[in-house]
Amino acid sequence: NAGVTQTPKFQVLKTGQSMTLQCAQDMNHEYMSWYRQDPGMGLRLIHYSVGAGITDQGEVPNGYNVSRSTTEDFPLRLLSAAPSQTSVYFCASSSAGEKLFFGSGTQLSVL
Amino acid sequence: GESVGLHLPTLSVQEGDNSIINCAYSNSASDYFIWYKQESGKGPQFIIDIRSNMDKRQGQRVTVLLNKTVKHLSLQIAATQPGDSAVYFCAEKYGGYQKVTFGTGTKLQVIP
Repeated sequence: NAGVTQTPKFQVLKTGQSMTLQCAQDMNHEYMSWYRQDPGMGLRLIHYSVGAGITDQGEVPNGYNVSRSTTEDFPLRLLSAAPSQTSVYFCASSSAGEKLFFGSGTQLSVL
Repeated sequence: GESVGLHLPTLSVQEGDNSIINCAYSNSASDYFIWYKQESGKGPQFIIDIRSNMDKRQGQRVTVLLNKTVKHLSLQIAATQPGDSAVYFCAEKYGGYQKVTFGTGTKLQVIP
């Protein structure tokens, strides 16, 4: 099993550009989530989904959109990138929302 | 709001010694606790978990201790190896499964 796969690994954007971070899992997990990781701070929840067609906001949702059309995929969209969105982004999945399996992360820089 | 914190940002130990990483939590309603390991350039990896109805749980070379009286969580690593060098996060969960709060992490450095 590949587990949780995130693409791209690195991305540089200019302020105002949009992009989509991809996340896919092959463990048939119902629960998927996106986190951002900033220096000196714990992982913070952006959005999460408890199944196909169901999404909800986490702690820091502003500036991000998500959708969940299939169990496997959970893309994160940045609508208009801002320097404050420079961070490392992690996608995670779980069968019961507890023990999370994380992807390898996307390092995003917004200039 | 409620938060999870760590006592030591960096811990250096000699190879072969035991390591103890500590975590303080403030939400008495938390019912599930997890330790994750994050190596440089990688995503966090689950190590061990414990529920609030337990005070100790052992895995392979790792033990988690939970003291609800003082709201303290610790991760013990026996016979620390160079491969254990990483950042370790604790996390607490309360209520719904999206309500997980992560600590800022402790960096463990193993000295050969």
